[in-house]
Amino acid sequence: NAGVTQTPKFQVLKTGQSMTLQCAQDMNHNSMYWYRQDPGMGLRLIYYSASEGTTDKGEVPNGYNVSRLNKREFSLRLESAAPSQTSVYFCASSVRDSEQYFGPGTRLTVT
Amino acid sequence: SQQGEEDPQALSIQEGENATMNCSYKTSINNLQWYRQNSGRGLVHLILIRSNEREKHSGRLRVTLDTSKKSSSLLITASRAADTASYFCATDARGAQKLVFGQGTRLTINP
Repeated sequence: NAGVTQTPKFQVLKTGQSMTLQCAQDMNHNSMYWYRQDPGMGLRLIYYSASEGTTDKGEVPNGYNVSRLNKREFSLRLESAAPSQTSVYFCASSVRDSEQYFGPGTRLTVT
Repeated sequence: SQQGEEDPQALSIQEGENATMNCSYKTSINNLQWYRQNSGRGLVHLILIRSNEREKHSGRLRVTLDTSKKSSSLLITASRAADTASYFCATDARGAQKLVFGQGTRLTINP
């Protein structure tokens, strides 16, 4: 089992460019999540999907969109990147009301 | 806003000593979880304690939960250099279907 995988690992964007972060899990989990982590901070929830076909906003959704493509995949899109979106992005998955499994993260820099 | 608040923000101890970290939260919860994050890596789940449990053990880890005080503690006994990491508590509020993370405690074990 690969667990939770994320692509790409690193990305540099110019202000205004768009990109999609990909996440996939092979644990048959219903719930998937996108977080961002800024230096010295904890994780802040951007969007989550409690089950296939549903998505909900988290604490910091502005500037992001998500797609739950199927049970395995949950993508995060930045339509027009801003320097404030420079961060490390983590995807996670879980069975409801249980522990979350995290991917290795994507380091995004917006210049 | 962050639900969990860890204390202290940073802790430095000698190898072999015990390390205690505390977490306080604001609302009623289903469960409280502790995670470890090594520098530059994704979070790894350590232990989950449910709201009807008061204490839980896993190897050298001991977690307590006091729902009347809305607080939890993580004790790592006989610390090792490999325990150097950031530790986060996360709460699963009732009905929320998502976790809210604190800002973490940075633990350094000195050889």
